[in-house]
Amino acid sequence: GAVVSQHPSRVICKSGTSVKIECRSLDFQATTMFWYRQFPKKSLMLMATSNEGSKATYEQGVEKDKFLINHASLTLSTLTVTSAHPEDSSFYICSAEYTDTQYFGPGTRLTVL
Amino acid sequence: SQQGEEDPQALSIQEGENATMNCSYKTSINNLQWYRQNSGRGLVHLILIRSNEREKHSGRLRVTLDTSKKSSSLLITASRAADTASYFCATSNFGNEKLTFGTGTRLTIIP
Repeated sequence: GAVVSQHPSRVICKSGTSVKIECRSLDFQATTMFWYRQFPKKSLMLMATSNEGSKATYEQGVEKDKFLINHASLTLSTLTVTSAHPEDSSFYICSAEYTDTQYFGPGTRLTVL
Repeated sequence: SQQGEEDPQALSIQEGENATMNCSYKTSINNLQWYRQNSGRGLVHLILIRSNEREKHSGRLRVTLDTSKKSSSLLITASRAADTASYFCATSNFGNEKLTFGTGTRLTIIP
């Protein structure tokens, strides 16, 4: 139980395009999901908290117009990187909480050319 | 920064030996969790220890928590090659689901 999936696992896009990443809780409902960013050989940095049916809460320094989050159902949250640039290239990971534990998706590797 | 620190940053040991990783954090916590991450993959939850607990076991894993020193340790006994990964501690505060991750320890088990 408590499985979280992400799609796509890997995406390469041109600078200026937008990319949508999906995060799904497969066998439980999650009113709250989290989006993290991870640079190579570094720790995870929380970007935002995604709340079902309401606006996301962004961490300091994260541009909400750049990283759009939509949590339209109890099993799906999406992160859209708008007008992506090479500096947005990173590993993006989502998580969902179930019984006091956060379960993580497998991550999405974004490369912006 | 609220981020905790882990030491060592990197650890290489022979298969069969025990591996110990330490985590320090800065604020009062509700619980502390340990995660494993294989290269380029998501995080796998290993164990959760609450602030009122001092020690917890799960298979070959032993976690201790010392809230007076704001530190935790993860011991992996009888290490295996498959244990090669990065290990992160993460803390959460009371009334807040957000996790704050440590800097991580890269563990390499030499066959």
